[in-house]
Parts: sequence; structure tokens; C-alpha cells
Amino acid sequence: QVQLQESGPRLVKPSETLSLTCTVSGGSIRSYFWNWIRQPAGKALEWIGRVYTGGNTNYNPSLKSRVTMSVDTSKSQFSLELSSVTAADTAVYYCASGYYYEDWGQGTLVTVSS
Amino acid sequence: EIVLTQSPATLSLSPGERATLSCRASQSVSSYLAWYQQKPGQAPRLLIYDASNRATGIPARFSGSGSGTDFTLTISSLEPEDFAVYYCQQRSNWPRTFGQGTKVDIK
Repeated sequence: QVQLQESGPRLVKPSETLSLTCTVSGGSIRSYFWNWIRQPAGKALEWIGRVYTGGNTNYNPSLKSRVTMSVDTSKSQFSLELSSVTAADTAVYYCASGYYYEDWGQGTLVTVSS
Repeated sequence: EIVLTQSPATLSLSPGERATLSCRASQSVSSYLAWYQQKPGQAPRLLIYDASNRATGIPARFSGSGSGTDFTLTISSLEPEDFAVYYCQQRSNWPRTFGQGTKVDIK
């Protein structure tokens, strides 16, 4: 079991890029899958995508044109960038580990507003 | 995209009662289905994976069953801490998808 912690700006302006980082501790980031999931207030969970420590990625087609994920093994971190954000991207963003999501960060609320 | 439909939307029960939650997939997901519990202000917690396997540390009162398109999460006797929202999720196809959730509240 690892600990995950999201970090990044909590307020992003419309049309700009949302950038979040998840720091992995208590275990190795190597040879595993790392996911981003979001949840608008009062709504269901939405899988954004995942990145493998080798660099391979899988993205949700609904967001694929705007999403980039990467891993920095030297810092035990993986990252999410979501470009051209709108109010519809306002949500709690979670990072999570594995094929199924065994370990989760606490989540960070990102608000898109001018 | 595989759509997961959970029923009922809300389940009102008393402590000690049995809870039965349903998740139906729009196409077969084999046994690649998980269940999560989410309490207000918290991240989800993995309960069941591959349809019927309890995750580490999950009490035996939680059980999962099903395959193909129809799945069930059963809580044999509700404890006060079990009142929460429950989500199913599939990892059979891309994109990974979640159901809309079932809220188990106190009657």
C-alpha cells in the first residue's frame, strides 16, 4: 500500500491548462499503473486516464485531445495536464494506483473560473 | 463505451439489515468489475475486485458476485459505518467507466 498526495493550483482560468502532480510515498513508483480520476460536485466518478512508469498512456476518448500524463520516477511523481479548460472541468481530482484503484490520494478541488 | 447502470439509486435500510446492490453492464465485462465505497469528503475505497475478491482489510460482511453483465454487491448486516455511496467500475474495455452510484442511507 502506498500513499498518494495531489498538488497543484486550485484555481485555473478558462482556456488555460490545469496541471496537477501526484507524489507517491511508502513504495516504489516503478513498474505500475498510475491513474487520474475526477468527480464533479455531487456527481459520479470519471476516469481520465492512466500512465505506466515505462511511459505508455491510455486516455479517456472524451478528454484525449486535451490530456497529457507523464511520470518522473526520479521524483516518484506522476502528472496530469488538461488544456483549454472550461467550467465543466471543475471537479475534485484524484490520483490512484493500479489496475483497480487500490490506493487513492485525498483529492484536490480544482475550480475553473476567471 | 461500456455503460454501467446501478440500482437502486438510493437504498434506505436500518443497521443490521442486509443490503443488495446491483450493477448492470451494457455489454459483457467478464469478471473485470470492482466495487468502491465513498463517504462524504473522502476518496473512494476499493472493496471488491474481479467481481468477487475482497480487497485487503475489507470485512467479510462485504461480498460480490456475478459475471458477464450482471453483478451484485451484498452487505450481509449493515454496520453504522457502511452508510455511504457505492460505485461499480469495469476494467474490461477502454475507457474505464464507473456506474452512477447507489446511496445506502439510514432508514
